[in-house]
Amino acid sequence: EDKVVQSPLSLVVHEGDTVTLNCSYEVTNFRSLLWYKQEKKAPTFLFMLTSSGIEKKSGRLSSILDKKELFSILNITATQTGDSAVYLCAVLYPSGNTPLVFGKGTRLSVIA
Amino acid sequence: DTEVTQTPKHLVMGMTNKKSLKCEQHMGHRAMYWYKQKAKKPPELMFVYSYEKLSINESVPSRFSPECPNSSLLNLHLHALQPEDSALYLCASSQEYGPGNTIYFGEGSWLTVV
Repeated sequence: EDKVVQSPLSLVVHEGDTVTLNCSYEVTNFRSLLWYKQEKKAPTFLFMLTSSGIEKKSGRLSSILDKKELFSILNITATQTGDSAVYLCAVLYPSGNTPLVFGKGTRLSVIA
Repeated sequence: DTEVTQTPKHLVMGMTNKKSLKCEQHMGHRAMYWYKQKAKKPPELMFVYSYEKLSINESVPSRFSPECPNSSLLNLHLHALQPEDSALYLCASSQEYGPGNTIYFGEGSWLTVV
């Protein structure tokens, strides 16, 4: 069975801290991994990672994939209260027809 | 522009009501999806449409009935729902159905069944 595991499940940090969110996967047929940020509404797309070792960056957020060790990390530097959200990791079409297999998410709280 | 628009944002309905959720995208995407998300859980796939044809129905009860009138629109018709169907319903789309296509979500419709 395809599995995506995120850690930690929740995290509380202070503004200005740097955080690293983890996502490991065991899937039949890896193609791509996606990161989403979800506040009170819909998941907002952050990154899609397909190749190992290539960092994707957007402002204070960056992410990288390790296909040998089967994991990805999402880094957020100089965190702000607006970064508080659930961060979802998902694997795209790991097997069969299922478009996305999600992890349970990491709930990040950034306090002033 | 990666915008998927859903209406209404909030819906309260009785168990005997018939209502619909609507989703629209103008990105030329040919795959559209309905997901259901309960509190503190990740989204769960309900339906996939590819080129306006139903490709996947994840064993969803018949009280949920999807419809894809054209390539830009996706509806979810609701009838005789149960309180446990209360959830956030997310529409999503991607360029095509298949690997390599990022899936973009709309803002969701919060449904409460009373």
